[in-house]
Amino acid sequence: DAGVIQSPRHEVTEMGQEVTLRCKPISGHNSLFWYRQTMMRGLELLIYFNNNVPIDDSGMPEDRFSAKMPNASFSTLKIQPSEPRDSAVYFCASSLDRLSGEAFFGQGTRLTVV
Amino acid sequence: QKEVEQNSGPLSVPEGAIASLNCTYSDRGSQSFFWYRQYSGKSPELIMFIYSNGDKEDGRFTAQLNKASQYVSLLIRDSQPSDSATYLCAGAGGGADGLTFGKGTHLIIQP
Repeated sequence: DAGVIQSPRHEVTEMGQEVTLRCKPISGHNSLFWYRQTMMRGLELLIYFNNNVPIDDSGMPEDRFSAKMPNASFSTLKIQPSEPRDSAVYFCASSLDRLSGEAFFGQGTRLTVV
Repeated sequence: QKEVEQNSGPLSVPEGAIASLNCTYSDRGSQSFFWYRQYSGKSPELIMFIYSNGDKEDGRFTAQLNKASQYVSLLIRDSQPSDSATYLCAGAGGGADGLTFGKGTHLIIQP
């Protein structure tokens, strides 16, 4: 298996633009997580899905952020409109089930909003 | 508010010595704990997990859990320069899904 695949690896965008991050989890994994990592706040859980259903989005910072998982092999995290404070590395991770801590991370998307 | 606390470091250890990384957590309901290693510019990778009180050994790594003290540690024996990285402690369970991460400890192994 190729592991968790994220795209793009790097994204630079202007403030106010829409940004869409993409993730393909490991085949057979039922849970998918979106994390954001910054120096100040470390690694924060934004939202997670179990069997394609959003379970907890309490970590999503505000309404500008939204996430979808239309099928078991694809998820998106969208920011609209983007702001400079959204600049961070966004990781997608998947695990066999919702209670397993053995999460496997993708390579991340480094987002810079200017 | 579930929190996992780690000393950010940097923790500097000479090559060949034992590196000791520590972590405390606030949620008594947390059931399992994980240590992830993250090299600069890379994604976190799981190196150890522990569910029960006591020690768990895997090669040069030993994880220790004390639920009464809400304390988790990771020992790295015979430290190598390639062990230089940020080590993230994470807790799971306790009624909340997903992992709660500490901010990580930056470990430097000096050749």
